[in-house]
Amino acid sequence: GAGVSQSPSNKVTEKGKDVELRCDPISGHTALYWYRQSLGQGLEFLIYFQGNSAPDKSGLPSDRFSAERTGGSVSTLTIQRTQQEDSAVYLCASSLDTGMNTEAFFGQGTRLTVV
Amino acid sequence: GQNIDQPTEMTATEGAIVQINCTYQTSGFNGLFWYQQHAGEAPTFLSYNVLDGLEEKGRFSSFLSRSKGYSYLLLKELQMKDSASYLCAVNKGGAGERTTDSWGKLQFGAGTQVVVTP
Repeated sequence: GAGVSQSPSNKVTEKGKDVELRCDPISGHTALYWYRQSLGQGLEFLIYFQGNSAPDKSGLPSDRFSAERTGGSVSTLTIQRTQQEDSAVYLCASSLDTGMNTEAFFGQGTRLTVV
Repeated sequence: GQNIDQPTEMTATEGAIVQINCTYQTSGFNGLFWYQQHAGEAPTFLSYNVLDGLEEKGRFSSFLSRSKGYSYLLLKELQMKDSASYLCAVNKGGAGERTTDSWGKLQFGAGTQVVVTP
């Protein structure tokens, strides 16, 4: 596609429910990143993929968070048993590679509200 | 660990110049990016530095000193539309090596909110 696409754009869920956030990267981009941004805060790294593998999962806040990427394209971030502190904007970015001078392009984000 | 520090907020008047500093301490370094983020929008790419020195792009310039772990973003002839958060990001990864757990990880600072006043 023309840009990084994320869905849904907004999600309101009840505490304790599971949610799935989807990211469709730019075609041909091998690297994909998930970040979380709370109101007025910077970007918190969650996980990144090189192809279908995730070399670095160190940013995932707890074992309730998981992510997968299939076919080197679409990625899904799953949050189980959501808590109110999970409320944030979840941003996905992709880049051509993870090497030098490969800028990351961001999607518009999914705004998650846990009530 | 990895620390990326930048000021929280800066205020300047229209037409002026503002310099946003970013210092970093990383176990690896593979380039530094600056992004602009308007409220409620996704970050957009501004500049990339991997070698020491100044890169100029119109009203925006970015400088890097790898030995000092320091970069700045210079915004000239400020316009009201420049009011935004400016994010410094380091591409972590050793030059010439590719460790599976760190290569390519793009880590962001907390951002500097620039407020341009009339």
